[in-house]
Amino acid sequence: QKEVEQDPGPLSVPEGAIVSLNCTYSNSAFQYFMWYRQYSRKGPELLMYTYSSGNKEDGRFTAQVDKSSKYISLFIRDSQPSDSATYLCAMSGNQFYFGTGTSLTVIP
Amino acid sequence: KAGVTQTPRYLIKTRGQQVTLSCSPISGHRSVSWYQQTPGQGLQFLFEYFSETQRNKGNFPGRFSGRQFSNSRSEMNVSTLELGDSALYLCASSRQPPNTEAFFGQGTRLTVV
Repeated sequence: QKEVEQDPGPLSVPEGAIVSLNCTYSNSAFQYFMWYRQYSRKGPELLMYTYSSGNKEDGRFTAQVDKSSKYISLFIRDSQPSDSATYLCAMSGNQFYFGTGTSLTVIP
Repeated sequence: KAGVTQTPRYLIKTRGQQVTLSCSPISGHRSVSWYQQTPGQGLQFLFEYFSETQRNKGNFPGRFSGRQFSNSRSEMNVSTLELGDSALYLCASSRQPPNTEAFFGQGTRLTVV
């Protein structure tokens, strides 16, 4: 079993839709949870970083962590074409573990 | 504040050659991790350095090696290149272990022909 599981998509939504991206993990020792956005041929860009269970909001982005279910989510409200990218979840314990990424396309 | 700088950005090498990639972390960051990214495999962890010491190593052959200098800059080396080593190599810096936020460079795209 992989440490982190993420649905690769692809996901295609109309502009303005709410997007939900999810990851599950198996290691209860993970302490920090992150979401990265990666545009084609670029390095991943840190979007959100959370430590505890619960929600964290930053503009149109909300990160949610449920440690009891070992499940994290990223919600994007009012999605824009510029949100079209691959989204990677990441978790850290003694090192970083990444999901394989979900490819998102927002159609104008 | 300068971000993570990786050089070179693009590289074309021939099978059997060796290559050295460089990573300069964000000022004040002492932990550097390296990853290989390919379309089929996603981000694969290579190794992590902190204070010039390798803390963790991924499941890659010994042809992949790295080091970190006293100024926290890091290099990774791949010897006897194979076609399958073609990938985007990313480094990420963070302040210190246990890892919290990690910031990535733009990567070095290596093509082996």
